[in-house]
Amino acid sequence: DAKTTQPNSMESNEEEPVHLPCNHSTISGTDYIHWYRQLPSQGPEYVIHGLTSNVNNRMASLAIAEDRKSSTLILHRATLRDAAVYYCILRDVLNYGGSQGNLIFGKGTKLSVKP
Amino acid sequence: EAQVTQNPRYLITVTGKKLTVTCSQNMNHEYMSWYRQDPGLGLRQIYYSMNVEVTDKGDVPEGYKVSRKEKRNFPLILESPSPNQTSLYFCASSLREGLRGEQYFGPGTRLTVT
Repeated sequence: DAKTTQPNSMESNEEEPVHLPCNHSTISGTDYIHWYRQLPSQGPEYVIHGLTSNVNNRMASLAIAEDRKSSTLILHRATLRDAAVYYCILRDVLNYGGSQGNLIFGKGTKLSVKP
Repeated sequence: EAQVTQNPRYLITVTGKKLTVTCSQNMNHEYMSWYRQDPGLGLRQIYYSMNVEVTDKGDVPEGYKVSRKEKRNFPLILESPSPNQTSLYFCASSLREGLRGEQYFGPGTRLTVT
């Protein structure tokens, strides 16, 4: 799977929008972009995923650049509960060899939310 | 409630004493896997299972065994634990088709081997 690059940390104020960037310049045409987050002392939690079009769900929005070399996870109104490490992960859905379900977690972005 | 459960949540043991960490999911998922999380190394996959009686090694399988006799359960077995297996362990599951989508993770098991 192609690699992703994320800032080590970001800060936000409560109730303000947060834009978490992810660069994936070597993304292939069959890579889906996934976001997970890990709250302190918990297991990773799925946030959102997409391929080409922007995606919205109850937790967040995912904005994907037209060339797909970068994407942004958008939390519309950050709460204290959103403080977590956010991981941007690429999944090649055509790679059925080996451990196809393996999520490759990088270091992620640690998001701090100030009241 | 859809969930992945793990037991125990915390375990302190001694070198060489066999242990089993259980994992169970109630979502009828075909795919299940185990990860370990270590500071500076992130999460790494240990073993995975595509369905009952189908298991395979992940990135760091040495020192671990698994079994998948029932769809809902995927226990992780450490036959002879060593201190380098001190870690935080997570079980995960998804639909087979969900390999393109969401994986559900358990709450974690913190293991200390002295």
